[in-house]
Amino acid sequence: KQEVTQIPAALSVPEGENLVLNCSFTDSAIYNLQWFRQDPGKGLTSLLLIQSSQREQTSGRLNASLDKSSGRSTLYIAASQPGDSATYLCAVINAGGTSYGKLTFGQGTILTVHP
Amino acid sequence: EPEVTQTPSHQVTQMGQEVILRCVPISNHLYFYWYRQILGQKVEFLVSFYNNEISEKSEIFDDQFSVERPDGSNFTLKIRSTKLEDSAMYFCASLTERSYEQYFGPGTRLTVT
Repeated sequence: KQEVTQIPAALSVPEGENLVLNCSFTDSAIYNLQWFRQDPGKGLTSLLLIQSSQREQTSGRLNASLDKSSGRSTLYIAASQPGDSATYLCAVINAGGTSYGKLTFGQGTILTVHP
Repeated sequence: EPEVTQTPSHQVTQMGQEVILRCVPISNHLYFYWYRQILGQKVEFLVSFYNNEISEKSEIFDDQFSVERPDGSNFTLKIRSTKLEDSAMYFCASLTERSYEQYFGPGTRLTVT
């Protein structure tokens, strides 16, 4: 059974810092990995999608890497801003099986960027 | 930009009542999902739906739950007899085959009293 873990559980940084969020998964047979942002009481906004054949994806100040064989992904946020404060979720889709697209989520990292 | 929509945003119901949560997935998507998030816990998969039938369901998705795509645009989740522990945020999602990226709606907060 796939398990996804995110470290740290919470992170508080001053504005302008570069930071790294970590995600690990127990079953390396994944189809893809998706990073989401969740604001309090709100839905999930997709940030980056990495296919299993890819090593990284970039969008603006965000860069996500994937090491499938070791079961790890990192989300790098450059020059953090107070508006980046949110919970960041990592989720994977397992390869194979009868389902198409079932996501298994980590518990999230709560990020606070203070001015 | 197309988006997944959900109604209502908040539903309060009494234990034992039936509720229907509604979703309108992105129009050219073919795969649909329901997830839930109990306050302070992980987002959990409930059910996936493709070609007018359930393709997978979790242990949570017991006989009290059902899904339907009644008219080609709406996608509904029905809870037949709600329990206190059904209180959670329920998210609908749809997936594009082009990139296999999943898009989520804003959620329905269900409160069972």
